[in-house]
Amino acid sequence: GAVVSQHPSWVICKSGTSVKIECRSLDFQATTMFWYRQFPKQSLMLMATSNEGSKATYEQGVEKDKFLINHASLTLSTLTVTSAHPEDSSFYICSARATDRGVGEAFFGQGTRLTVV
Amino acid sequence: AQTVTQSQPEMSVQEAETVTLSCTYDTSENNYYLFWYKQPPSRQMILVIRQEAYKQQNATENRFSVNFQKAAKSFSLKISDSQLGDTAMYFCAFMPLFQGAQKLVFGQGTRLTINP
Repeated sequence: GAVVSQHPSWVICKSGTSVKIECRSLDFQATTMFWYRQFPKQSLMLMATSNEGSKATYEQGVEKDKFLINHASLTLSTLTVTSAHPEDSSFYICSARATDRGVGEAFFGQGTRLTVV
Repeated sequence: AQTVTQSQPEMSVQEAETVTLSCTYDTSENNYYLFWYKQPPSRQMILVIRQEAYKQQNATENRFSVNFQKAAKSFSLKISDSQLGDTAMYFCAFMPLFQGAQKLVFGQGTRLTINP
């Protein structure tokens, strides 16, 4: 199956600093990647859709200046949490859709646990 | 807008028993996919089973099967001969086929515990 690698798995940062999370498709090309946020014991909330070579599309209520997304290549998308605050602490998950693996097949990274202190 | 509802926040069964997780959805779309994802304690999302809406036959994957009722907009997951490794959060998800980026819409999840 297709593999999506997300890095780092966990990160602790100080309030006010920025944190970058990487999402890589290891063995397939992904024109579209998705970024989710998951609070404890809750479902996945879509933050934004990332398209290679173009600007990301953010869901309503998600601050695009705070959550910067870059999809510079067909195998890499990054999410940067800028000026992080404790309320940004959460579990962030990316997924990638393989362009050559059929409709509907989305593969997920292992997630990143962000703690802002 | 599409919505997905999982009415069972938690379920618990004994090992080897059969368990059914319920899911309903609301959409005006006619072409879509439905999924069940498993999220074990590691929090890695794992695809369990997929159903294309245009297919009348219910999807099956080994011990996992679905009961897809398109008219009722119902999509339940049956796990037969449950195993300890089935303990996880289970999410039902909907994806329209012809809407933009084909985003997944998730239900609230059901926490399933398999007891020894």
